[in-house]
Amino acid sequence: GDSVTQMEGPVTLSEEAFLTINCTYTATGYPSLFWYVQYPGEGLQLLLKATKADDKGSNKGFEATYRKETTSFHLEKGSVQVSDSAVYFCALSNFGNEKLTFGTGTRLTIIP
Amino acid sequence: DAGITQSPRYKITETGRQVTLMCHQTWSHSYMFWYRQDLGHGLRLIYYSAAADITDKGEVPDGYVVSRSKTENFPLTLESATRSQTSVYFCASRQGNEQFFGPGTRLTVL
Repeated sequence: GDSVTQMEGPVTLSEEAFLTINCTYTATGYPSLFWYVQYPGEGLQLLLKATKADDKGSNKGFEATYRKETTSFHLEKGSVQVSDSAVYFCALSNFGNEKLTFGTGTRLTIIP
Repeated sequence: DAGITQSPRYKITETGRQVTLMCHQTWSHSYMFWYRQDLGHGLRLIYYSAAADITDKGEVPDGYVVSRSKTENFPLTLESATRSQTSVYFCASRQGNEQFFGPGTRLTVL
């Protein structure tokens, strides 16, 4: 079945550092890929998505590129801020499947 | 306000008691979902519903019951709560291939 593997946390960075959170997936066909963010005490919010190979999703300075050849969808940001501290989830949705498959989440803490 | 609301936000109960978590959405989305979030497991799907009166099991359905008599409501019932059901529960609805999440219910079973 479908699965998502993302890098273990927690990740702690200084403000303005470069961020990468790795995500790889296993799925048949051509899934859509997502990054969700969960701020403390809140539900998940969609951060960005990509629906086909080589698409780049971007939002709030975050980017991720759908790489079919490496089955990856790594999340990057050039300069993180304290307000980016949250838990980040990689997820996929396969065509004809209404469900999302989530990774285990990566907790990110940015220190001033 | 438009969106998804969950109630209660926090609940403490005892082993063996019945508990119902409520979920309400204002968009009239067809699909709704219940997840539980546990450390080290991410989000796991408990049940989902494609429309009123249509429900199906997810990854971890044991010990839970759902119903959906109206499109906008999707309650989750723990018929006899166990300590292993201590978790944070999220409801979500779907439009297209995007899911929208409620704020969550933190449930503690003593």
